[in-house]
Amino acid sequence: DSGVTQTPKHLITATGQRVTLRCSPRSGDLSVYWYQQSLDQGLQFLIQYYNGEERAKGNILERFSAQQFPDLHSELNLSSLELGDSALYFCASSFPGLAQNTGELFFGEGSRLTVL
Amino acid sequence: GQNIDQPTEMTATEGAIVQINCTYQTSGFNGLFWYQQHAGEAPTFLSYNVLDGLEEKGRFSSFLSRSKGYSYLLLKELQMKDSASYLCAVTKSNYQLIWGAGTKLIIKP
Repeated sequence: DSGVTQTPKHLITATGQRVTLRCSPRSGDLSVYWYQQSLDQGLQFLIQYYNGEERAKGNILERFSAQQFPDLHSELNLSSLELGDSALYFCASSFPGLAQNTGELFFGEGSRLTVL
Repeated sequence: GQNIDQPTEMTATEGAIVQINCTYQTSGFNGLFWYQQHAGEAPTFLSYNVLDGLEEKGRFSSFLSRSKGYSYLLLKELQMKDSASYLCAVTKSNYQLIWGAGTKLIIKP
């Protein structure tokens, strides 16, 4: 158990719909990362938050948005869903280390999204 | 640009040794991670190298050469449960983490 909690574990929805994925980081971790992983593909970095502020943005579509709340949990909102959005969405958290290092990332078990 | 290269797939035999290479071209290098990911599961941490040299941890060892932009993960006494993808990731000084596409390791009896 990494200490990172993601809900829901599985989600099936239709094209055009909107979903929200939730992540609770490990206790004490300030950074939250969101990744998308399609079948047999690598991890695609979406966005990173640090202590409530957006720190880095990756290949995140305009239809997607995220935020980190004062209690450090984070939500990823996916709207106008398309078939291609079907994927495993991972949240990870870390406590940044020295020299602006990311520190070790701890991953949640992921939310598997299926868009029909 | 920033680039991390790993072989897409490797096959090895149970009980043998395998070396998975990772080469990188990034600016502001801080260190290099190796993660293991079983299909459909979350990546789990294996090692982190900051300085040149070999770090040994049980059956797994990781090597780094900063001057050559090169790392490898060495797995000894392979077991069937080692069948997984192995991800190389470089951490930069601006809190960025750059991931390789991963190497799928297939272990055969």
